[in-house]
Amino acid sequence: RKEVEQDPGPFNVPEGATVAFNCTYSNSASQSFFWYRQDCRKEPKLLMSVYSSGNEDGRFTAQLNRASQYISLLIRDSKLSDSATYLCVVRKTGYQKVTFGTGTKLQVIP
Amino acid sequence: DTGVSQNPRHKITKRGQNVTFRCDPISEHNRLYWYRQTLGQGPEFLTYFQNEAQLEKSRLLSDRFSAERPKGSFSTLEIQRTEQGDSAMYLCASSETDSNQPQHFGDGTRLSIL
Repeated sequence: RKEVEQDPGPFNVPEGATVAFNCTYSNSASQSFFWYRQDCRKEPKLLMSVYSSGNEDGRFTAQLNRASQYISLLIRDSKLSDSATYLCVVRKTGYQKVTFGTGTKLQVIP
Repeated sequence: DTGVSQNPRHKITKRGQNVTFRCDPISEHNRLYWYRQTLGQGPEFLTYFQNEAQLEKSRLLSDRFSAERPKGSFSTLEIQRTEQGDSAMYLCASSETDSNQPQHFGDGTRLSIL
């Protein structure tokens, strides 16, 4: 089983739609969680950290479920500019390296 | 804020040649990471430095790969006797000492082996 798993998509959604991605992780000792966004042939850019209590940044909401070992990202009112690959990132306790999922591709359609 | 800087942006070389990439992290960041990314995959961890000390290395980092960060500032990643399977995007990231802080990535170096 992979350490971090994501549905690769693609998710094709119309502008204005709400879309949600899930990411599961296998190691219960995982401590830090992030969502990154990566545009085609560009570097990953931090979208948001994921906190235990859940957190929101504008149209984006991230949640953590430790019992079921998954994190989620909700995007409301999708924009064309949201089209990208969304990478789930997990760091285990005691390690500095992080593990990336393979990413979920989102395409927002006019 | 100058961000993480990598060069070259692209490198095309023949199989068997040696290549070296450079990464300049965000100046106040103590930690520096190297990753490799191939098409359709997320970045895969290669190695990590805290200041000049190389503290973690992935099993992906074969003996043809070596990384240094001699003064705790910029880092180099060298690949000797390149193989076609080395073709990938090589990403560098840096972060603050606090482990809960995210990593910030450079633009990457795209390596193509002919």
